[in-house]
Amino acid sequence: DTEVTQTPKHLVMGMTNKKSLKCEQHMGHRAMYWYKQKAKKPPELMFVYSYEKLSINESVPSRFSPECPNSSLLNLHLHALQPEDSALYLCASSPARGTAVYGYTFGSGTRLTVV
Amino acid sequence: GEDVEQSLFLSVREGDSSVINCTYTDSSSTYLYWYKQEPGAGLQLLTYIFSNMDMKQDQRLTVLLNKKDKHLSLRIADTQTGDSAIYFCAENTGNQFYFGTGTSLTVIP
Repeated sequence: DTEVTQTPKHLVMGMTNKKSLKCEQHMGHRAMYWYKQKAKKPPELMFVYSYEKLSINESVPSRFSPECPNSSLLNLHLHALQPEDSALYLCASSPARGTAVYGYTFGSGTRLTVV
Repeated sequence: GEDVEQSLFLSVREGDSSVINCTYTDSSSTYLYWYKQEPGAGLQLLTYIFSNMDMKQDQRLTVLLNKKDKHLSLRIADTQTGDSAIYFCAENTGNQFYFGTGTSLTVIP
């Protein structure tokens, strides 16, 4: 298995809702990443997990809460989002942080719309 | 690291060659990458080049690296309509990836 799987593919949520994005990989990668991507822009790093521990939080608002329950799973819990949080949320993984010789493997993303 | 520049748009006719350019900033970057993103999809790694190389060829793709000028290019030979997408270069500084601003390639039939 050489894929990063993200669910759901599309999500519409209200500003008072609580929802979660899920990311899964079975490549044995020990670094996992959340990126946010607005239309026609490059991905922006949000969080980095290394060996299931949060190692980078790029000053992301607390309405985004990441969780790494085990080495294969990465979640992003969403609460009280704003319309400007609407974007494509991408998950990626690499063998370990800083050793991504072959690049990161990206999932196909969750298209989030906040209404 | 953070200012990886690309031209925003490129339009070519089907069958012609496309050249997408990228200027990166960190001379210590060990690997440089090209990713392709089709509409509504994630990023697909196309190819990468190690910083001690100046050229890499992979079927229709040719990557050229000018380390002195910190310039990276991707040439797509015999461009097809399926090549229409946004192309991002990226540099790996060891700690983090930095993506370029992206080039939207349109292939005209």
